[in-house]
Amino acid sequence: KAGVTQTPRYLIKTRGQQVTLSCSPISGHRSVSWYQQTPGQGLQFLFEYFSETQRNKGNFPGRFSGRQFSNSRSEMNVSTLELGDSALYLCASSLGRSGTGELFFGEGSRLTVL
Amino acid sequence: QQQVKQSPQSLIVQKGGISIINCAYENTAFDYFPWYQQFPGKGPALLIAIRPDVSEKKEGRFTISFNKSAKQFSLHIMDSQPGDSATYFCAASYDGGSQGNLIFGKGTKLSVKP
Repeated sequence: KAGVTQTPRYLIKTRGQQVTLSCSPISGHRSVSWYQQTPGQGLQFLFEYFSETQRNKGNFPGRFSGRQFSNSRSEMNVSTLELGDSALYLCASSLGRSGTGELFFGEGSRLTVL
Repeated sequence: QQQVKQSPQSLIVQKGGISIINCAYENTAFDYFPWYQQFPGKGPALLIAIRPDVSEKKEGRFTISFNKSAKQFSLHIMDSQPGDSATYFCAASYDGGSQGNLIFGKGTKLSVKP
């Protein structure tokens, strides 16, 4: 069974630009969550989508947005990039049902903002 | 109230020794407490998880101890091996972990010396 796939794996942007990251969940998983990982703040929850609806949202500004498609694939977008947005962005998928708490993480998209 | 505090930040253990990582939480609504293991260049992977109705859970060399009254939980790694060298994250969430919104601790970098 294929794992969670994230693309691109690495990207470099400049301040003010926008970026779109993509995530393909494990087949059959309906929940996709996004996390930002930085050395200073650790792993921080961005948002979660379940059946194309945003079910949970973390404490990030509106520049961070996401969506989920009918095949459960998800994208996240960051507009007007700031230097502080440099981070590893991790996507995780799960069944999204009660009693099935395991999140399966991808290897991440490493974003560098110059 | 949303925080999960993890200690120590780093830990060095000799091969065969016991590694102990501690976490504390404030929000009594949390009802799912997983531990994730992350190797460099990889996404986190679930190691073991516990719900507050039990005080201890063991899987192989890994044990979670849970103290509901103290709002603390810890990971014990028995007979630590160099292959256990990784960063460990405790986390907490609601609804039995059915949703992808985990609150992570800041992580503990474990080094097991041969």
